[in-house]
Amino acid sequence: EAGVAQSPRYKIIEKRQSVAFWCNPISGHATLYWYQQILGQGPKLLIQFQNNGVVDDSQLPKDRFSAERLKGVDSTLKIQPAKLEDSAVYLCASSLGGDRYNEQFFGPGTRLTVL
Amino acid sequence: AQRVTQPEKLLSVFKGAPVELKCNYSYSGSPELFWYVQYSRQRLQLLLRHISRESIKGFTADLNKGETSFHLKKPFAQEEDSAMYYCALRPSGGYNKLIFGAGTRLAVHP
Repeated sequence: EAGVAQSPRYKIIEKRQSVAFWCNPISGHATLYWYQQILGQGPKLLIQFQNNGVVDDSQLPKDRFSAERLKGVDSTLKIQPAKLEDSAVYLCASSLGGDRYNEQFFGPGTRLTVL
Repeated sequence: AQRVTQPEKLLSVFKGAPVELKCNYSYSGSPELFWYVQYSRQRLQLLLRHISRESIKGFTADLNKGETSFHLKKPFAQEEDSAMYYCALRPSGGYNKLIFGAGTRLAVHP
């Protein structure tokens, strides 16, 4: 079975620019997650979708970050405008469901460097 | 506060030596604990969860609620065990959210 797909794999931008990341989850997975992993730290959940609805965005910096999952499949995470501290790996994960334990499967990540 | 602490950034051992990767958590309820692993140039993947109480690739982990710990152990390390290991906590109830520790890099030398 195909895994979680993410693009681009790498992105370099200057501060105050905008950037968008794309994620395609495993087919049939209702729940999609975006994590931010800063160098030297573990992944931190930014937002969790159940189908096309948001169930947890408590750690999403909403003044600059936005995410959508319009048709309950693919998702886009946007940063506008970027700051230096946004440099990180952005991981997308998916699971069959999200209301009880379901194994999360991770994508390869997008490494963002903000100069 | 919900927190996972992995006190060692790097653990370096020789092949055949025992390994223990430490994980402590802070959570007032009954959590589920997991170990995730990321091998070089591969994706983050689940290694084991405490509820399963199984051994994966020779690794075991026991949840100690008294000490709020979930240490990962293997009696004889192999070179292919070299990787980043993350301990994670899933709070009870609610959604399938994971809280990760900062990770420990295990380096197994020949």
